[in-house]
Amino acid sequence: DTEVTQTPKHLVMGMTNKKSLKCEQHMGHRAMYWYKQKAKKPPELMFVYSYEKLSINESVPSRFSPECPNSSLLNLHLHALQPEDSALYLCASSHRGDRGSNQPQHFGDGTRLSIL
Amino acid sequence: DAKTTQPPSMDCAEGRAANLPCNHSTISGNEYVYWYRQIHSQGPQYIIHGLKNNETNEMASLIITEDRKSSTLILPHATLRDTAVYYCIVRVENTGTASKLTFGTGTRLQVTL
Repeated sequence: DTEVTQTPKHLVMGMTNKKSLKCEQHMGHRAMYWYKQKAKKPPELMFVYSYEKLSINESVPSRFSPECPNSSLLNLHLHALQPEDSALYLCASSHRGDRGSNQPQHFGDGTRLSIL
Repeated sequence: DAKTTQPPSMDCAEGRAANLPCNHSTISGNEYVYWYRQIHSQGPQYIIHGLKNNETNEMASLIITEDRKSSTLILPHATLRDTAVYYCIVRVENTGTASKLTFGTGTRLQVTL
């Protein structure tokens, strides 16, 4: 079982729909991440939040809108997605490593998204 | 972050040690070597990391060469549940900011009976 919980596990949506992916952790981590993983490819970073503020956006299209309402939750709002956006969306969290030590990221099992 | 090179696939018999190599010849002095694995239909799982000394935990051992240009992840007694894609990642030391992981293509380890 993973300590990072993602819901839903599967999502099918049309190109005109609006939906949200949710991620929750209760490990006290103050850094949270969204990754996208296409089939048979490695995960690719999309966004990083540090202390509930967006710190990295890897030039992600605006149809993906992240939100971090508090230190335990991370959302990814989806609107007007394209078929090529079908992928596994992974959430991760970590301590921020304020004392200079590297901190591993803990991943959820992802939401498998299919765009019709 | 430095780039890593791993063999695309490896096989290992159950019960034997699995030795997964990784080349990171352009690694900088402040970059750590991380290993993650991804079992089918799951998210990546952290295994181990190190800077220059060899490291061991309950899952695996990490051997880093003296010049730090390569490393080997060792699973001492592989089981069928260790079948996964193993990613070697080099990452700059975190000094108070959230930093990213850049995944390479990894090694697909198949453990067989």
